[in-house]
Amino acid sequence: TQLLEQSPQFLSIQEGENLTVYCNSSSVFSSLQWYRQEPGEGPVLLVTVVTGGEVKKLKRLTFQFGDARKDSSLHITAAQPGDTGLYLCAGARAAGNKLTFGGGTRVLVKP
Amino acid sequence: DAMVIQNPRYQVTQFGKPVTLSCSQTLNHNVMYWYQQKSSQAPKLLFHYYDKDFNNEADTPDNFQSRRPNTSFCFLDIRSPGLGDAAMYLCATSPQAGAWNEQFFGPGTRLTVL
Repeated sequence: TQLLEQSPQFLSIQEGENLTVYCNSSSVFSSLQWYRQEPGEGPVLLVTVVTGGEVKKLKRLTFQFGDARKDSSLHITAAQPGDTGLYLCAGARAAGNKLTFGGGTRVLVKP
Repeated sequence: DAMVIQNPRYQVTQFGKPVTLSCSQTLNHNVMYWYQQKSSQAPKLLFHYYDKDFNNEADTPDNFQSRRPNTSFCFLDIRSPGLGDAAMYLCATSPQAGAWNEQFFGPGTRLTVL
């Protein structure tokens, strides 16, 4: 059973379009991270959200943590080819030091 | 720059021939992790160290072992690689155990088993 469900699994859009990736769970997480991974490289941490309802912005990326801390979303405005990659959400429970990863969303931004 | 380094970036081994992957970090983090990632899938945790305290995941095969001789270095030993062990192996570090758990990943080692 995957505790974090990401959707969609794959997204192909044209440069300049907007996109949203969702990360959902029936479990409460103390914190949730978003990573981007490019082919042949390790995941790179984009953001950590810890407070229910929290919204964080990183240039054209907007991250939101659900009020109940069970879900999160990543919105990219005016996507660029450099945004292409595998986006992973990962949650940490209240105790312990392990992350639960979602299945990933592969994003392709075509020029 | 403080970072997580993995060597080699690409490793080719033969079926059944032991192989060791290495990870070093200059972040002085207490926690180090080893993940296995197969194509287009999420990373799967194999084990982690909190300082010298080793924590094995229940479904990690016995074929996979690890050593952490000091804070900076951690090794992944695959005693008898099978074709199914071909994957990207990721090392990650975290400053401490707990709910924040931001993890910082190395670039990975891609293992090919012939």
